[in-house]
Amino acid sequence: SQQGEEDPQALSIQEGENATMNCSYKTSINNLQWYRQNSGRGLVHLILIRSNEREKHSGRLRVTLDTSKKSSSLLITASRAADTASYFCATDVGAQKLVFGQGTRLTINP
Amino acid sequence: DAGITQSPRHKVTETGTPVTLRCHQTENHRYMYWYRQDPGHGLRLIHYSYGVKDTDKGEVSDGYSVSRSKTEDFLLTLESATSSQTSVYFCANQPSTGGLAFFGQGTRLTVV
Repeated sequence: SQQGEEDPQALSIQEGENATMNCSYKTSINNLQWYRQNSGRGLVHLILIRSNEREKHSGRLRVTLDTSKKSSSLLITASRAADTASYFCATDVGAQKLVFGQGTRLTINP
Repeated sequence: DAGITQSPRHKVTETGTPVTLRCHQTENHRYMYWYRQDPGHGLRLIHYSYGVKDTDKGEVSDGYSVSRSKTEDFLLTLESATSSQTSVYFCANQPSTGGLAFFGQGTRLTVV
C-alpha cells in the first residue's frame, strides 16, 4: 500500500485563487518532499521539510508538517495557469527509500 | 534534471522479449532509482542503487533486474516482458540519502 496519500485526487480552481493539497502518511519519516510533474514530463522537486520542522516557505509555496497527525499540506498562493500540473508528496523513510503518493492533479482555469 | 538521460524514450516490444532501459547521469551521485508510474498507483520503486554494484529491491521488483557497473549508468532489465509491465519508467538520482531527488524524462514502454 502507498505510504503517502494525497487529497484531493483532483483540484480545479480559478487563476489567482489559492490551492491546498494534503498528504497523509503511515510510518515515521526523516523528511517529506513535494514534487511537481507537468504532463508527459519527469518530476521536479519543489521543497523538502524535515521531520523536526513545522513550516517552510519557498516563493508562493508554503508547506506544513504535522508529525503527530502524520500529515503535510502544500499551499500554492495566487495560482497561475503555469501551476497546472500533478503534485506528489514523497516520504523519506530511510534506507535510501523515497516513497511517493498517488498525486493531486491541479488545474488552474483562466 | 541533474544531468539524467533515459534511453530509449519510447519503446514498443512484444511479450516475452527481453528489454533493457538505460539511465545515464553526468554527475557522480551515489544513489540512483528506478520507478514505474501507472494511473492510480503514483510512482512505485522498482530497484535502487547505493553505489557501484550495490543494488537492492524496491516495492515492485518482481520481473525486473538492475545492474550498475559504473557510477554513471543504471540499467533496468525486463528479462521477459509482460503486458503488466506496460508503464512509464522513471530514473532518478540523489546526491545524498535523504535529500531531494532529480528525475529523468521517463521512458514509455508498451508491451504488446
